[in-house]
Amino acid sequence: DIVMTQSPDSLAVSLGERATINCKSSQSVLYSSNNKNYLAWYQQKPGQPPKLLIYWASTRESGVPDRFSGSGSGTDFTLTISNLQAEDVAVYYCQQYYTPPFTFGQGTRLEIK
Amino acid sequence: EVQLVESGGGLVQPGRSLRLSCAASGFTFGDYAMSWVRQAPGKGLEWVGFIRSKAYGGTTEYAASVKGRFTISRDDSKSIAYLQMNNLKTEDTAVYYCTRGSSSCPAFDIWGQGTMVTVSS
Repeated sequence: DIVMTQSPDSLAVSLGERATINCKSSQSVLYSSNNKNYLAWYQQKPGQPPKLLIYWASTRESGVPDRFSGSGSGTDFTLTISNLQAEDVAVYYCQQYYTPPFTFGQGTRLEIK
Repeated sequence: EVQLVESGGGLVQPGRSLRLSCAASGFTFGDYAMSWVRQAPGKGLEWVGFIRSKAYGGTTEYAASVKGRFTISRDDSKSIAYLQMNNLKTEDTAVYYCTRGSSSCPAFDIWGQGTMVTVSS
């Protein structure tokens, strides 16, 4: 199974600043035949289901503000939230959908400093 | 409106069975793979398993923690996915979400609100 490891487990960032969350997979999730990284990022607020933010490692889902961006390839990925807003307080998860089981990272809790 | 609605959760004793349903609307259900993801109280997300669309064989895959106990099926004529859970254990206590993915976007773009399953004597 591919193990997804996020860092940090939690972070506190001031409003208007940048938050950076890292995700590392135990093996590459880059599919060579189409050069796509099978990596997604989700946001989950308390009492709500997860919401897809980013797929193919860097493609923003429709309706997601452009302050959310994803980068990385192979085994190392980053979710960046620029100009942090109060409504961005949530837990963020990365997930690989390269091969089942489609494993998630343990989550990163983002708070306002 | 594209929507997934789970039902069937509740309190069940260890060793018993429960079947969850996921009713889809607003999209062509048969074109999508359907996954189940669970979240134990205060914990992270755990992928449970999925069923491919008929175009990809309608086959299933499961997490090791539920393989042999859980079965996912689908009825495309009713736009419903099912999660049959047998021999339930206390560690199966969680909110169960259904979600969809497609060949063009295998990431889980639509999620239901979830249904709570509590396994306790």
